[in-house]
Amino acid sequence: QSALTQPRSVSGSPGQSVTISCTGTSSDVGAYKYVSWYQQPPGKAPKLMIYGVSERPSGVPDRFSGSKSGNTASLTISGLLAEDEADYYCCSYAGSYTWVFGGGTKVTVL
Amino acid sequence: EVQLVQSGAEVKKPGESLKISCQGFGYSFPSYWIGWVRQMPGKGLEWMGIVYPSDSDTRYSPSFQGQVTISADKSITTAYLQWSSLKASDTAIYYCVRLSGDGYNSYDSWGQGTLVTVSS
Repeated sequence: QSALTQPRSVSGSPGQSVTISCTGTSSDVGAYKYVSWYQQPPGKAPKLMIYGVSERPSGVPDRFSGSKSGNTASLTISGLLAEDEADYYCCSYAGSYTWVFGGGTKVTVL
Repeated sequence: EVQLVQSGAEVKKPGESLKISCQGFGYSFPSYWIGWVRQMPGKGLEWMGIVYPSDSDTRYSPSFQGQVTISADKSITTAYLQWSSLKASDTAIYYCVRLSGDGYNSYDSWGQGTLVTVSS
């Protein structure tokens, strides 16, 4: 059970869009529609931003969107704001009540 | 409001044992799986394992099987993560997380984290 692969960092100017990829295998990301994304600001606990590949919990801005194609899931942040600067982690169900996280991506707002 | 409240920071020596806790409030504790996630200093999140408080069914990541024990006591709405012999490499923040009950298999509530420092 290896960690999902994410880029170490992405950056964008305020108002721009950034997309974070999350690549797994046919045993995790590719097998289930249970990919979730978490935002972790510096020094804080993570927070659920996307579940079920593309669903947003109540209170999460619609600037955050998720998608999946094959073994790769993606998180897009549109209209980037300074407050979006944080680490972002994908997570996939991997069967038999086990899960795997991605290595994390640092989003920098220029 | 759903809340997961974790026990406080710990400083231990290598070889010592430790049990940290996570108490759930604001929902039916027995009915939701509770997981544990490790974050080593400056590193990413790692899924460790999960327990169903209603019947104590427990699953582990292969990376953590045999290294830690996860349990729960539904009578006091508390889940636990324990070590029998700590190593310096166990130094990390440990988060407890609640598995959503909607079938989407995401972690919708997180504890504040417990910092465990293991040093001689």
